[in-house]
Amino acid sequence: QKEVEQNSGPLSVPEGAIASLNCTYSDRGSQSFFWYRQYSGKSPELIMSIYSNGDKEDGRFTAQLNKASQYVSLLIRDSQPSDSATYLCAVPGAGGFKTIFGAGTRLFVKA
Amino acid sequence: GAVVSQHPSWVICKSGTSVKIECRSLDFQATTMFWYRQFPKQSLMLMATSNEGSKATYEQGVEKDKFLINHASLTLSTLTVTSAHPEDSSFYICSARLVDEQFFGPGTRLTVL
Repeated sequence: QKEVEQNSGPLSVPEGAIASLNCTYSDRGSQSFFWYRQYSGKSPELIMSIYSNGDKEDGRFTAQLNKASQYVSLLIRDSQPSDSATYLCAVPGAGGFKTIFGAGTRLFVKA
Repeated sequence: GAVVSQHPSWVICKSGTSVKIECRSLDFQATTMFWYRQFPKQSLMLMATSNEGSKATYEQGVEKDKFLINHASLTLSTLTVTSAHPEDSSFYICSARLVDEQFFGPGTRLTVL
């Protein structure tokens, strides 16, 4: 079982819709969870960090964490074509030293 | 805050030459930096973890004598691709750790002719 799993997509949503990106992780002891956005040809950019169960909102982005079910999700409200990118879920690795990244979900927002 | 720079942003070199890539944390000190490689349409691949003042830790399958890493200070890590070959052409990205978050540099696109 991979440590961090994401649906590779592509996930296609129309402009203005809510995009829902999901991620599951295997280490039940994980305490920190991150979402990165990577545009084609660019490096990843940290967009959300979440540490507690429940929702964390930042503008159009909402991260949701459920430690009991070992999943974390990212909701993007009012999706824009500029949101089209690959979204990477990440958790600290064993010992919290290096970060384990999922393979990423490609999101396409259609105008 | 939490800005990481890389230099150069792109480089073209001849086969057999060596290329050095610099990674700097601009507004924080990073005891740990990471080097990744990414081929087109593929996932990030961690190459090595760079620790200030000690030897880097390489991931399985990454040749430490080919990819030399030096973390000379709390704000600078360098990756040298020695005797580069066309198959080393890739997008090399560094990141620096601040507490438990990782911040990425803009990447260096290496093309070996």
